[in-house]
Amino acid sequence: NAGVTQTPKFQVLKTGQSMTLQCAQDMNHEYMSWYRQDPGMGLRLIHYSVGAGITDQGEVPNGYNVSRSTTEDFPLRLLSAAPSQTSVYFCASSYNSFTGELFFGEGSRLTVL
Amino acid sequence: KQEVTQIPAALSVPEGENLVLNCSFTDSAIYNLQWFRQDPGKGLTSLLLIQSSQREQTSGRLNASLDKSSGRSTLYIAASQPGDSATYLCAVRSDSWGKLQFGAGTQVVVTP
Repeated sequence: NAGVTQTPKFQVLKTGQSMTLQCAQDMNHEYMSWYRQDPGMGLRLIHYSVGAGITDQGEVPNGYNVSRSTTEDFPLRLLSAAPSQTSVYFCASSYNSFTGELFFGEGSRLTVL
Repeated sequence: KQEVTQIPAALSVPEGENLVLNCSFTDSAIYNLQWFRQDPGKGLTSLLLIQSSQREQTSGRLNASLDKSSGRSTLYIAASQPGDSATYLCAVRSDSWGKLQFGAGTQVVVTP
């Protein structure tokens, strides 16, 4: 019963490097989203998707890219990492974007030097 | 803009005592409200989901109520145990993005 799986769990990058955080869910959920969690700022929505081929921006999308080619996968790309992107990133999914219970992955802790 | 507040920010109780955690929100036009638990360095675990048409939900020792008109929800944890020590977050869904607006959380410590 995997649920929402995120990889890697930890990553250190240098400023300017790019990388992809992977997220996969096995619950056949249509809705998937990425949040970042920072001390004093709480959890903020980066990008979301309401189905394969459909993505949109959340509250803090700058510096991040997403795509949704399958129902199961929703990768988050950092285009050119900056120290301000040091954070814990969570992927979450639910049956739909209105009433479904949201399930979170274990998180990916990213440090940008 | 929806704002979610959780008071108190921290709470310490002896084992066996009942826990009462409060959550308030400013806009009553919500789809649902969800309670989560977060252990240090871990992800968020969903505890209870209350749809806007519901007044309460129960799971084991946990009971959550929802009063949309007053913009409040309360999470009750009966007979607390040291294993209940964690941060508890409430979040409301009130727009078509599916975005959850989170409170800052209540950090709970249950002492043996």
